[in-house]
Amino acid sequence: NAGVTQTPKFRVLKTGQSMTLLCAQDMNHEYMYWYRQDPGMGLRLIHYSVGEGTTAKGEVPDGYNVSRLKKQNFLLGLESAAPSQTSVYFCASTLEGYGANVLTFGAGSRLTVL
Amino acid sequence: AQRVTQPEKLLSVFKGAPVELKCNYSYSGSPELFWYVQYSRQRLQLLLRHISRESIKGFTADLNKGETSFHLKKPFAQEEDSAMYYCALSSSGSARQLTFGSGTQLTVLP
Repeated sequence: NAGVTQTPKFRVLKTGQSMTLLCAQDMNHEYMYWYRQDPGMGLRLIHYSVGEGTTAKGEVPDGYNVSRLKKQNFLLGLESAAPSQTSVYFCASTLEGYGANVLTFGAGSRLTVL
Repeated sequence: AQRVTQPEKLLSVFKGAPVELKCNYSYSGSPELFWYVQYSRQRLQLLLRHISRESIKGFTADLNKGETSFHLKKPFAQEEDSAMYYCALSSSGSARQLTFGSGTQLTVLP
């Protein structure tokens, strides 16, 4: 049981390049989230999904897009990377119903934009 | 809008001393509050949630609605408690978003 898996773990981009972060969970969770973690700012919600085929904006959505074509996968895309997007990105998921709001996190993806 | 404030970015205590990590929140509804912890080189994980009213690894946290606080306490800190601690608040309704505070890095000195 892998839980929440994020790929890649590390990536260096040049300004203007695009990339996609993949989050996969094998727990049949309905809800999935993308957060970014920055020093002194904690975790901020970028986008989230309450089920397959649905996505919604979080606190800091600008510059990112997401897709949830399959229940187990939640993709985070950067169309044109900027240095301000240098961060550690965390994916998380949770059940619907009892136990909801208790998040299971991935190991994180460290992105550097030069 | 909901907000979580952790006023201390860094906190150092000696082993065996009591420790309190502060968390204050603002939320118009009925809050559900959590403490998450991230040990070095490990994933962020749930430490405790207020509705469980449990003690995990010797830590407790009581929801004080009058003071809108959910401070994390431990009477005798251990070196293995050194970690980043995040307080989080859950919104009600179908969105089930968690809003995190900025975190407190706890260092327990030998």
